[in-house]
Amino acid sequence: GAVVSQHPSRVICKSGTSVKIECRSLDFQATTMFWYRQFPKQSLMLMATSNEGSKATYEQGVEKDKFLINHASLTLSTLTVTSAHPEDSSFYICSASSGTGVETQYFGPGTRLLVL
Amino acid sequence: AQTVTQSQPEMSVQEAETVTLSCTYDTSESDYYLFWYKQPPSRQMILVIRQEAYKQQNATENRFSVNFQKAAKSFSLKISDSQLGDAAMYFCAVPSGTYKYIFGTGTRLKVLA
Repeated sequence: GAVVSQHPSRVICKSGTSVKIECRSLDFQATTMFWYRQFPKQSLMLMATSNEGSKATYEQGVEKDKFLINHASLTLSTLTVTSAHPEDSSFYICSASSGTGVETQYFGPGTRLLVL
Repeated sequence: AQTVTQSQPEMSVQEAETVTLSCTYDTSESDYYLFWYKQPPSRQMILVIRQEAYKQQNATENRFSVNFQKAAKSFSLKISDSQLGDAAMYFCAVPSGTYKYIFGTGTRLKVLA
C-alpha cells in the first residue's frame, strides 16, 4: 500500500518551453501533496504544499507563477514548470499524505528535468 | 525557527555490524512525528521508520530502531546487522509548522563487505 507514482521519470526540453509533471497516489486518497526539489548531493527542499481543491502554499523564494501547482483531485497533483530555463534543471520529487501532512509522507520516484 | 541537524555527512560500517546515525532538531510543535527516510542510488525516498513524539517507547522496525530523546531533541537511527542493501543516503525529517516537514542534510552510509 501507499504507492505514489510520478510521470515522467525523465524529461529533456528546450529553454522557454513548459513542462508538466504528474504525481498520483495509486492506492489512497492524498489530502495533502508536497513538491520538493533536490539538487545533486543535497537534501530535499520543499517548494510547495497543496491540498485538494485549494490553492497551493508556496515556500519563501519559490515563484508561484513559475511553478504552477494544481491539486485537482484526491489522487492527482501536477507541477508545471513554465518557460523553463537551464537553471530549472533539477530532480523534482512529489510526496503525498492521507492526512494533513503531519502524518507519513509517501514519495514518488522523482522526475529528472534537464532544460537545454 | 525549526531546524534539523545531521552532523555526520558520511558513515561507514562493516557488513553485519551496527551503526548509529544521529539527528538533532528544534521544533515548537508539541505533538508530532519524526521520520527517517532512505534514499538509495535510484533516488526513490523510502520510509525507514517513524516515531511518534508523544510515545516514550522507541520505535523499532526489524533491524532498524530509534533512540528518541524528546527533551534533548535527539532522534538517532540504529541499524543492526548491516547489509549491503542498506547503503544509501539517510535523511531525518522533523516538523516545520503544522503541515510540513523539513529534512536534514543527510548522512551517506557506506557498507563495507
